[in-house]
Amino acid sequence: DAGVTQSPTHLIKTRGQQVTLRCSPKSGHDTVSWYQQALGQGPQFIFQYYEEEERQRGNFPDRFSGHQFPNYSSELNVNALLLGDSALYLCASSTGLAGLLNEQFFGPGTRLTVL
Amino acid sequence: GNSVTQMEGPVTLSEEAFLTINCTYTATGYPSLFWYVQYPGEGLQLLLKATKADDKGSNKGFEATYRKETTSFHLEKGSVQVSDSAVYFCALSLSGGYNKLIFGAGTRLAVHP
Repeated sequence: DAGVTQSPTHLIKTRGQQVTLRCSPKSGHDTVSWYQQALGQGPQFIFQYYEEEERQRGNFPDRFSGHQFPNYSSELNVNALLLGDSALYLCASSTGLAGLLNEQFFGPGTRLTVL
Repeated sequence: GNSVTQMEGPVTLSEEAFLTINCTYTATGYPSLFWYVQYPGEGLQLLLKATKADDKGSNKGFEATYRKETTSFHLEKGSVQVSDSAVYFCALSLSGGYNKLIFGAGTRLAVHP
């Protein structure tokens, strides 16, 4: 059973460009959450997708957007990249039942470097 | 607001030493508490969890007890191994929500033979 997978592993972009990161959830999971982990910091919640809609959002600007497909995979898009967007982007999957403690399983992350 | 504070690292220990990594939290309501571990080049793995006051989470020799009176969830292990070298994150999740995790800054542990 494959766990959470993310692509690409590494990515280098320049300021002002746009980037798309991809995530496939663990089998049986229908919810995907995205986190940003800056160097030396803990992950920060970006947003969560369930039933192809954004269900919850953290304190990130509108430059950060996402999408969830019918097969539950997800994309994270970042427009107008800034140097400060350089980070490890983590995807986590879980089941979507609200109000219950559903363990989140994390992927290995995509390392984004903005020059 | 809701937040998690961890002791700063790095923590450097010899093999078989006792480990404590302190974690305190601020939260509205009754959060669930977690410890995650991140090995080099890998994603986060859930190490242990506790969902209510006085619960003790344990896994792989690690333990942490949910202390509501001191708002703490300190991680302990009686005898560390070189393979325990990693970054450890304390986190909370608020009840009734969608399991959004709020993390501390992480504590790097280095264990030497």
